[in-house]
Amino acid sequence: AQRVTQPEKLLSVFKGAPVELKCNYSYSGSPELFWYVQYSRQRLQLLLRHISRESIKGFTADLNKGETSFHLKKPFAQEEDSAMYYCALLNYNTDKLIFGTGTRLQVFP
Amino acid sequence: ETGVTQTPRHLVMGMTNKKSLKCEQHLGHNAMYWYKQSAKKPLELMFVYNFKEQTENNSVPSRFSPECPNSSHLFLHLHTLQPEDSALYLCASSLSSGGANTGELFFGEGSRLTVL
Repeated sequence: AQRVTQPEKLLSVFKGAPVELKCNYSYSGSPELFWYVQYSRQRLQLLLRHISRESIKGFTADLNKGETSFHLKKPFAQEEDSAMYYCALLNYNTDKLIFGTGTRLQVFP
Repeated sequence: ETGVTQTPRHLVMGMTNKKSLKCEQHLGHNAMYWYKQSAKKPLELMFVYNFKEQTENNSVPSRFSPECPNSSHLFLHLHTLQPEDSALYLCASSLSSGGANTGELFFGEGSRLTVL
């Protein structure tokens, strides 16, 4: 069965510290993975997708098929990074985007 | 107005009421979705419409009835709901090319539903 697991409900760091938000997936095909973000009082929006191999707002995420992971990383956290982060997996067969439960990132000054 | 707009933003209803949630998108997208967001649970996909045709009904109880009159509008009709249906209902839209979902969804701000 397809599944996305985000083991941490809350991650708290100080400004300038490195951040890693964990995401593991279960999918029998070739996965396409995404990170979505929801800032306070804003709507859920796409942050980045693994096929783009891009860095957005200093965040990167590498797909590791061996570990079935797609962790989101940033070397130096900023206060404005505080938000809810959702990992998502696209099931090509059904066109369904499957979300994890989300991780709240708190960055303290 | 651009983007995905949902109304009402908040709704309180009794178990015997009938109400509707509305979603509108002006992004030129062809696919629209209803998601349910409950505390401590992942976002749950409820319904998918592709070019106004329902392509997914994710085992949703019949007390939730979607309607998609055109590619820009999506409704969720609510009837005899239960307290456990209280949640944030999110509408989203995306481009749909030949049925393939690009994975990029554009979300509305949600309708917070409370069932008493």
